[in-house]
Amino acid sequence: GENVEQHPSTLSVQEGDSAVIKCTYSDSASNYFPWYKQELGKRPQLIIDIRSNVGEKKDQRIAVTLNKTAKHFSLHITETQPEDSAVYFCAAYSSASKIIFGSGTRLSIRP
Amino acid sequence: GAVVSQHPSWVICKSGTSVKIECRSLDFQATTMFWYRQFPKQSLMLMATSNEGSKATYEQGVEKDKFLINHASLTLSTLTVTSAHPEDSSFYICSARRRENEQFFGPGTRLTVL
Repeated sequence: GENVEQHPSTLSVQEGDSAVIKCTYSDSASNYFPWYKQELGKRPQLIIDIRSNVGEKKDQRIAVTLNKTAKHFSLHITETQPEDSAVYFCAAYSSASKIIFGSGTRLSIRP
Repeated sequence: GAVVSQHPSWVICKSGTSVKIECRSLDFQATTMFWYRQFPKQSLMLMATSNEGSKATYEQGVEKDKFLINHASLTLSTLTVTSAHPEDSSFYICSARRRENEQFFGPGTRLTVL
């Protein structure tokens, strides 16, 4: 079935440095890839997304890249701040409009 | 963005009882809603797809007789956990689909079964 793998599971970076989270997906029909930020006990919040006809998208300090051939996509956060600390999930929309989530990355920003 | 609500936000029940969770799309009609379960420090796992006016589609390994889903209107889907046991304790989140590739999540319901 459809699968999304995410790495690393935990990531600690110094405030101001960059953070990169990587994902791979299995369903070649997937055409939409959202990234979510989830704080403890709350719903996932969409932070950025990318469609399969685009290779890169940027929104202020956040960027996402997609390599459709390799079925890889990545989240890049630059100039990290304490409020960036959270769990981040990548996801891929399957052909049935189901969201398949990655396993999550717990990002900690060290002051 | 669109608003999706869930009720209750948390519930504690005794083992063996049933619990109903509601998911509502407040400002749009959703022919499709999804139900997820999230255990502590884990990812969201899709349980089932709820289709208005038809039977829900369950993911592999999810017992349809234990997790009853009803999508009676375009703005409401309910998940009933029947004969709940402690291992059913989890964070249940719904999402409502407004259009292709656009889903909005509810705030979640924390279920604790004693």
